[in-house]
Amino acid sequence: GENVEQHPSTLSVQEGDSAVIKCTYSDSASNYFPWYKQELGKRPQLIIDIRSNVGEKKDQRIAVTLNKTAKHFSLHITETQPEDSAVYFCAVGDFGNEKLTFGTGTRLTIIP
Amino acid sequence: DAGITQSPRHKVTETGTPVTLRCHQTENHRYMYWYRQDPGHGLRLIHYSYGVKDTDKGEVSDGYSVSRSKTEDFLLTLESATSSQTSVYFCAISGRVGTSYNEQFFGPGTRLTVL
Repeated sequence: GENVEQHPSTLSVQEGDSAVIKCTYSDSASNYFPWYKQELGKRPQLIIDIRSNVGEKKDQRIAVTLNKTAKHFSLHITETQPEDSAVYFCAVGDFGNEKLTFGTGTRLTIIP
Repeated sequence: DAGITQSPRHKVTETGTPVTLRCHQTENHRYMYWYRQDPGHGLRLIHYSYGVKDTDKGEVSDGYSVSRSKTEDFLLTLESATSSQTSVYFCAISGRVGTSYNEQFFGPGTRLTVL
């Protein structure tokens, strides 16, 4: 089955700086790569996703980049704000299968 | 919140007792999932359903069973709860026409403690 590794497990950055979280996966057939944000005590919610025919996608301060050859993708958050503090999960899936395999999560802390 | 609820939201039970968690959705999503969330493990799939009475195992299915007799309800049963099943359980849904393909919407979670 698919194996997803996510790094780092914890990340602290100064407010206003950028944060980068990376995930690698094992199945070259995978073609859907979402990122979920989970605030303390809340449910995970999708913040951005990318499909294998696109190398980069941006939505305001967040962006995701995909390198299919190397089988890794990254979440970039610029100009971080206190409300960005949360746990972030990457996931991997494919169009022929509605299942997602999740990474183990990154706890991001923004230092005021 | 995509019209998905879970019940109960919190439960404390004893080892060896049966437990059933319920997931209910109101927006006609085809697919439903049960995950457990534990520190250091992220979200792990227990079972999922791709239609009424159609279910399949995930990566951590041992000790769990599921049933889906109606589109809107997906039940997770622990036949004989063990302390290792203490966790936060999330239900998720996907596959409604008009939503982003593969996007999963999560319920609020159920915190289960097995003493």
